[in-house]
Amino acid sequence: AQSVTQLGSHVSVSEGALVLLRCNYSSSVPPYLFWYVQYPNQGLQLLLKYTSAATLVKGINGFEAEFKKSETSFHLTKPSAHMSDAAEYFCAVSGLDSGGGADGLTFGKGTHLIIQP
Amino acid sequence: ETGVTQSPTHLIKTRGQQVTLRCSSQSGHNTVSWYQQALGQGPQFIFQYYREEENGRGNFPPRFSGLQFPNYSSELNVNALELDDSALYLCASKQLPSGANVLTFGAGSRLTVL
Repeated sequence: AQSVTQLGSHVSVSEGALVLLRCNYSSSVPPYLFWYVQYPNQGLQLLLKYTSAATLVKGINGFEAEFKKSETSFHLTKPSAHMSDAAEYFCAVSGLDSGGGADGLTFGKGTHLIIQP
Repeated sequence: ETGVTQSPTHLIKTRGQQVTLRCSSQSGHNTVSWYQQALGQGPQFIFQYYREEENGRGNFPPRFSGLQFPNYSSELNVNALELDDSALYLCASKQLPSGANVLTFGAGSRLTVL
């Protein structure tokens, strides 16, 4: 079984400040981890993914995340927030899917990022 | 390459009715999955179709069913609609076999059940 906990349903930062969105997971198998962003009235866009290669993962729009197995965490960061970063962010976990079966992605409840001017 | 497209974008139904939502997968993708996103929640996995068969399912009742066609497009059918079925329904596609569950999502179909 897999689960994801996102700490903080809302996070507010000033423009230019550090963004830190927290994600902790549990998984009975080696996990694949993802961060998605969702803008209003849109679907989900992949920001970055961890697939057992480098533990520090760089994504689009200046975001990055670090996989820490000992802490079962995959926190998302961005050094300097921009107004356009205001959106809903979802952390997700999955196992391997080679076609023999699928459990899908398990998402957290999301964190709404607010950017203050 | 074209992305994942879904139709309709919005629809309103009443309790007890049936609904069909449609999805065209991204070019080159052979696998489609569906997710339900209730207001203020993260998406929840409904099921996945690969080679025109359901090969994975989340915790949803049998009145949620689907199809995948030879061109890899897909339908989600929900029978006997309930008020709690009101949600954004997201379709996602990927190419299997693949070691990483990397999905491309559509913009969704927003269903309101009255």
